[in-house]
Amino acid sequence: DAMVIQNPRYQVTQFGKPVTLSCSQTLNHNVMYWYQQKSSQAPKLLFHYYDKDFNNEADTPDNFQSRRPNTSFCFLDIRSPGLGDAAMYLCATSRDLGEGQPQHFGDGTRLSIL
Amino acid sequence: KQEVTQIPAALSVPEGENLVLNCSFTDSAIYNLQWFRQDPGKGLTSLLLIQSSQREQTSGRLNASLDKSSGRSTLYIAASQPGDSATYLCAVLPLNTNAGKSTFGDGTTLTVKP
Repeated sequence: DAMVIQNPRYQVTQFGKPVTLSCSQTLNHNVMYWYQQKSSQAPKLLFHYYDKDFNNEADTPDNFQSRRPNTSFCFLDIRSPGLGDAAMYLCATSRDLGEGQPQHFGDGTRLSIL
Repeated sequence: KQEVTQIPAALSVPEGENLVLNCSFTDSAIYNLQWFRQDPGKGLTSLLLIQSSQREQTSGRLNASLDKSSGRSTLYIAASQPGDSATYLCAVLPLNTNAGKSTFGDGTTLTVKP
């Protein structure tokens, strides 16, 4: 059974039109991460939540925001998508921080920008 | 700053061959190293996690080793099958973080020919 679920699998939006990607987890993990992955590149961490504490990476554009209304759900909001934001967006969870806990990934959402 | 390198970027082998994928990292102060598999257009599937105190982990036909002193890990795949074709990524979780920030390599894309 899928433990980290991302919806939708494929998302198409127009240049500049806000879009929200969704992630849910059944693992009851404290930490949820959002990564951006472009073709043939390593996943790039955008931000993570530890419980309700939001931690933004220094180089994450302001265009990217996130919400975590409860333990199970986390959203990635892109306020004004540009062509360069077309990528695979991966959600991951881990039980805790700083203890070498493994990360569990969802299947990703592939975002296309028209 | 931790850097993770995976060489080669792509590898093609005939079915049945044993093979080794390489991962090197610059900072040996790590909690763990995790190997993932990524199929085209999909998320990451965790294969093996090696804690910093361990030398190797095995799962079925997969064996991952870790040599912190040399900053290297290998993923050994025995008796390769066409179904093993995928991109394999390694990720290290450094000790000097309380943010669970793994550093990923760019991956090795493996093709196993029938």
